[in-house]
This record gives sequence, C-alpha cells and structure tokens, in this order.
Amino acid sequence: EPEVTQTPSHQVTQMGQEVILRCVPISNHLYFYWYRQILGQKVEFLVSFYNNEISEKSEIFDDQFSVERPDGSNFTLKIRSTKLEDSAMYFCASSGEGGGEKLFFGSGTQLSVL
Amino acid sequence: ELKVEQNPLFLSMQEGKNYTIYCNYSTTSDRLYWYRQDPGKSLESLFVLLSNGAVKQEGRLMASLDTKARLSTLHITAAVHDLSATYFCAVDHGGSQGNLIFGKGTKLSVKP
Repeated sequence: EPEVTQTPSHQVTQMGQEVILRCVPISNHLYFYWYRQILGQKVEFLVSFYNNEISEKSEIFDDQFSVERPDGSNFTLKIRSTKLEDSAMYFCASSGEGGGEKLFFGSGTQLSVL
Repeated sequence: ELKVEQNPLFLSMQEGKNYTIYCNYSTTSDRLYWYRQDPGKSLESLFVLLSNGAVKQEGRLMASLDTKARLSTLHITAAVHDLSATYFCAVDHGGSQGNLIFGKGTKLSVKP
C-alpha cells in the first residue's frame, strides 16, 4: 500500500540552526500538509500546499518556516532559525485525487532543539 | 474560532465492554475525521464522515455524525486489548482542504 515517507525519523539540532525536514507524499496525491504535535498535546495544522503554492497556513507558520516541492516528488519543511519551542513531532500528510478526502500521514520526524 | 472537544480524555475499559467517545465541535463543518495513534507512531485514518447522518463501521468501531448537533461519536463494541490507543477526532476548518482542527484525543486502555 502506498505510504507517505518522512526523513529523518529523528533530528537533533542546536537552537538557532536551520533544519530541513523531508517528505515524499503518495505519488498521485495533490494536496500536501505539515502538522506538528508537541509531546502529549494535540496535533496542530501548520500549512497546506497545492498546485505548487501555499493554500493556507496557521499562526504557527511564521516567517521562520517555509515549504518547498523542489522536484515533483519531495516536499520539504524548512525552519530557518530553530527555537526551543519548535521541539515537536512533525508529520507530513497528503490527500486528494487517488486518496480522495482522507489525509494520509507519514510516520513523523521527531525534532529536538537543544 | 473552531473548537473541537473530545470526551472523555482518558478511558479505561474491560475487554468485552462497549463504550462511546464523543466529539463536539463549535461551528459548521463539512468533514469530520477519526484517527488512531499508537504511542510514538503516526496517525492512522479510521473514518471520514462527510454528511449529516453518516455512519461508518470497521470491525469493532462505528462512527457517526450529526451535523445539526455538531456531534460525532465513536462507538466501541466488545473492546479488545488491541484497541488500546489514542483516538483523535478532527474537523475540517472550512478553508482549503486538509486544514484540520484536532481534538485533544481520548487515550483508551483496554484491560483483560
């Protein structure tokens, strides 16, 4: 069964460093998303991406965050200058076309900012 | 602002028993989702409910949606240990597709 894949599974970084989280959505999906989950808390929407541009973003997704689909298969989330409070599990998801309404989530990248 | 509230937040059940998890949301929405999350794992899609009165069933789980009451339920029938997980409901925010507002989750523990 097709799945959303994310790399790396764990990322440790120093505060102020840039990180790039990578995702390969399901190939025939059209919509791509990033969500995050701080330990023990609920899942929060960050951004949606369709037709090579951001469709919607939350208040969390400030100027430190950016997304890109550089080559038609990868979908990346960049955090330019990480803060301690960016520590969370980041989930990529995709939907649409073959997947319909359902969002398929990847296994996540656990980001730890020290 | 759309709010999604689940209750209970913690649920300890005996195997073989039935129970219902409730999901209330504050404004109109077209789509409601139920997800399962095992500890340290990703979110597994259980159900997508798209219309008032929708009912979907998969194994021991049944989900329903009442858009007038802004309420969805996830009913567990004859619980087994394998159902132990955290269950989230999520409501479409109504903007672009996939902007979901999640509830806090219900942590279910099924004991033998």
